[in-house]
Amino acid sequence: SQQGEEDPQALSIQEGENATMNCSYKTSINNLQWYRQNSGRGLVHLILIRSNEREKHSGRLRVTLDTSKKSSSLLITASRAADTASYFCATGSTTGTYKYIFGTGTRLKVLA
Amino acid sequence: DTEVTQTPKHLVMGMTNKKSLKCEQHMGHRAMYWYKQKAKKPPELMFVYSYEKLSINESVPSRFSPECPNSSLLNLHLHALQPEDSALYLCASSHPGLAGGPVRNEQFFGPGTRLTVL
Repeated sequence: SQQGEEDPQALSIQEGENATMNCSYKTSINNLQWYRQNSGRGLVHLILIRSNEREKHSGRLRVTLDTSKKSSSLLITASRAADTASYFCATGSTTGTYKYIFGTGTRLKVLA
Repeated sequence: DTEVTQTPKHLVMGMTNKKSLKCEQHMGHRAMYWYKQKAKKPPELMFVYSYEKLSINESVPSRFSPECPNSSLLNLHLHALQPEDSALYLCASSHPGLAGGPVRNEQFFGPGTRLTVL
C-alpha cells in the first residue's frame, strides 16, 4: 500500500494540553500537507510543508518534516474542544501526477 | 469565493437507479478531484481532471463515470451501484501547478455527498 501511516490512531486529551500526531510515508515527496476533518464533513487544509523545509508554524500548529526518515509530525498547542476532529497527512508526489496520498488519520478528542 | 459546493448533501438510491453527483468551484482551479471515503478511513482518490481532461483514473469500476463539462464543474454519474459503494463522496480542487511539474498546492474540499445504496 502506498498509504501513509499515522499514529496514534486515536488520542484523547484535556483542553489546554498539547496534541502530537505523527505521519510516516513511503515515497519521495514534493510536499506534505495536513488536513482536519470534522465528523462526516469535508476536509480543511491546515498547513503545507515543502520537502526542503524542516519546520513550519501556523498559529497554534507546528509541523516538522524529516525527509530522511520519511516522517512528519503535527503539534497542536493549547488544545481546545473545537480541535476535536480527525487529522490526516497527505503527500504530494515528486512526479507530474496530481495524486495526493492520504495517511490513515488520527482521531483527536479534546475534553473540556 | 473560496468554496467548493457539492450537491446533493445526501443521496439514497437503489441498485438499478441512475443518479449524478455535482461539484462546483469558482476559484479558477484547473485540477479537480473525486474521492471516496468510508467511515473512519482516509479519502481514497478516484479520479483527477486537469484542464478538463481526465488525467488519473484509479481503476474505478465503470459504474462510476466522471465528467468535467467546464473548468468550474465536475460531475460523477452513478449507475448500477452496489451497497458497498455507500460512502461519503468528496470533491476537491486545486491549482494544478506547472504542466508536467510536481504537485505543489493545497486542495480545497467540498462538504461531500453522503451516498447510501440500498
